[in-house]
Amino acid sequence: DQQVKQNSPSLSVQEGRISILNCDYTNSMFDYFLWYKKYPAEGPTFLISISSIKDKNEDGRFTVFLNKSAKHLSLHIVPSQPGDSAVYFCAASKDDYKLSFGAGTTVTVRA
Amino acid sequence: DTEVTQTPKHLVMGMTNKKSLKCEQHMGHRAMYWYKQKAKKPPELMFVYSYEKLSINESVPSRFSPECPNSSLLNLHLHALQPEDSALYLCASSQALTGGQPQHFGDGTRLSIL
Repeated sequence: DQQVKQNSPSLSVQEGRISILNCDYTNSMFDYFLWYKKYPAEGPTFLISISSIKDKNEDGRFTVFLNKSAKHLSLHIVPSQPGDSAVYFCAASKDDYKLSFGAGTTVTVRA
Repeated sequence: DTEVTQTPKHLVMGMTNKKSLKCEQHMGHRAMYWYKQKAKKPPELMFVYSYEKLSINESVPSRFSPECPNSSLLNLHLHALQPEDSALYLCASSQALTGGQPQHFGDGTRLSIL
């Protein structure tokens, strides 16, 4: 049962523009959410996280928004750069170690 | 540069071989994890160690045998694997085995079973 869903398998954006990646979850017990970025032939790299007591967390060009009532989170990348081209995974956990991952969204940043 | 180091990067083995995957972290993390990732799928948790003790085994077949010799090292011993075990094996670590702690991943070992 897929508890974390990334419904867009791919996203193409022009360099300098905003990339918006979306993630939906079904388990209301999730209280910690993370985004990972993965290049080919490398492991996932932790990008940014947010706990359920917040609705926004910002780190440089990356901002994560959490809407608990809608069970939805999003990752905004502004401005998008060619090095941002990668697969992005959304993940969630509920007061423990176990991460539930989404299927990933492949981002392509066009020059 | 990743702070979790995995060796080897690639491994090809026959179904009767015995091999080991190694993982090392020097971040002082006390929780370490093994994941399996198939192509175009998210990582699937296999084992969790906390303070060098096995805390979680996600019903993994006994042909996979984890070992944590010390707080910095994690091994995965492989024996009599099947072709369907071909995958990317990822090691991760986190400060502790509690929520709210990001897991940091290595680059993985690409395993191919002939």
